[in-house]
Amino acid sequence: DAGVIQSPRHEVTEMGQEVTLRCKPISGHDYLFWYRQTMMRGLELLIYFNNNVPIDDSGMPEDRFSAKMPNASFSTLKIQPSEPRDSAVYFCASSLAVVLAKNIQYFGAGTRLSVL
Amino acid sequence: DQQVKQNSPSLSVQEGRISILNCDYTNSMFDYFLWYKKYPAEGPTFLISISSIKDKNEDGRFTVFLNKSAKHLSLHIVPSQPGDSAVYFCAAFTGNTPLVFGKGTRLSVIA
Repeated sequence: DAGVIQSPRHEVTEMGQEVTLRCKPISGHDYLFWYRQTMMRGLELLIYFNNNVPIDDSGMPEDRFSAKMPNASFSTLKIQPSEPRDSAVYFCASSLAVVLAKNIQYFGAGTRLSVL
Repeated sequence: DQQVKQNSPSLSVQEGRISILNCDYTNSMFDYFLWYKKYPAEGPTFLISISSIKDKNEDGRFTVFLNKSAKHLSLHIVPSQPGDSAVYFCAAFTGNTPLVFGKGTRLSVIA
């Protein structure tokens, strides 16, 4: 398997614009996670899905953030409208399950977002 | 409130010596712990894990020690190599919950 694939790798946009980040999880993994990494807060869990259903979105910072998983092989994280403080690296990860050794998450390479 | 804490943001070690990265946690319900390694411009990759029923797990140059009474775990790398220079994240979970990550420690191995 190619691993978790994220696109784009880099995104530069202007404040107020809509941003869509994409993720393809590892085939057969039932869980998908979206994280944001910043210097101040480290790796923050934003939302996670089980079998395409959102389970916990309590980490989503504001209503400007939304995430969908229309099928087992694709998820999006959307920010609308974007603000400079959203600038960060966004990671997608997937895992087989969330129990014991199956809770090993495999991460994509991330999307570095810069909002000017 | 941070449940998993890595109090040292950075660490420098001479090549060939031992690197010790530390992690403290506050949730006594955590029953599984993992270490991830992250290179620049890449996502974190799984390194080694340990269940709460053990106090040590070894994989080649990497050993994780767990002290449940102190709510502390550590990652030992022996011998350290320049290629080990990366950010190391400690993570933990309990039951059917996602991983909780620490903020990471940047390890620099100097040749």
